[in-house]
Amino acid sequence: DAGVIQSPRHEVTEMGQEVTLRCKPISGHNSLFWYRQTMMRGLELLIYFNNNVPIDDSGMPEDRFSAKMPNASFSTLKIQPSEPRDSAVYFCASATGTSGINEQYFGPGTRLTVT
Amino acid sequence: AQSVAQPEDQVNVAEGNPLTVKCTYSVSGNPYLFWYVQYPNRGLQFLLKYITGDNLVKGSYGFEAEFNKSQTSFHLKKPSALVSDSALYFCAVRDPPSGGSYIPTFGRGTSLIVHP
Repeated sequence: DAGVIQSPRHEVTEMGQEVTLRCKPISGHNSLFWYRQTMMRGLELLIYFNNNVPIDDSGMPEDRFSAKMPNASFSTLKIQPSEPRDSAVYFCASATGTSGINEQYFGPGTRLTVT
Repeated sequence: AQSVAQPEDQVNVAEGNPLTVKCTYSVSGNPYLFWYVQYPNRGLQFLLKYITGDNLVKGSYGFEAEFNKSQTSFHLKKPSALVSDSALYFCAVRDPPSGGSYIPTFGRGTSLIVHP
């Protein structure tokens, strides 16, 4: 099992550019989470999908952020336009079930730097 | 509303000594509790969880945690620390009676440093 796959692993972009982060969850997992981690704010939940449907996007910082899950094996997190304060490590995680009883499996993360 | 606190930003321990990483929580019902570990430049990895049953839970890499309902705590422990245990540790809680929220809340993390 390859685990959760994220790409790219590193992204450096200039302010104002569009950034797209990608995630492939573990096969058979029906819950998917996007997180952002910074030193200042720690680990923040951005959005939660269940069976490809966004259930809770209250953590999405603003309209510049959007996320999609077109099918069970792929999700994207898009930032347009990007700003320096978006610099962080973005994690995707997946889990089985919908009750929150099962542990999450995290990908290796995408380190985003916006200059 | 569910919440979790990790009162120590950093814990220092000598190799071979026992270690404890503290976690306290606030929920309205019986919680689901989790510990995760994050090594440098890696994603979080699941260590152990408490759902119900025995208050002492054993997990990966020799770690264990004790659920204490009266003190609303779920401290992570290991009898003998290794230098390789040095990492960032996260506690998470899910409050089932919260109903619509299926999402655990994570603490801010505790950096464990094991000195040779």
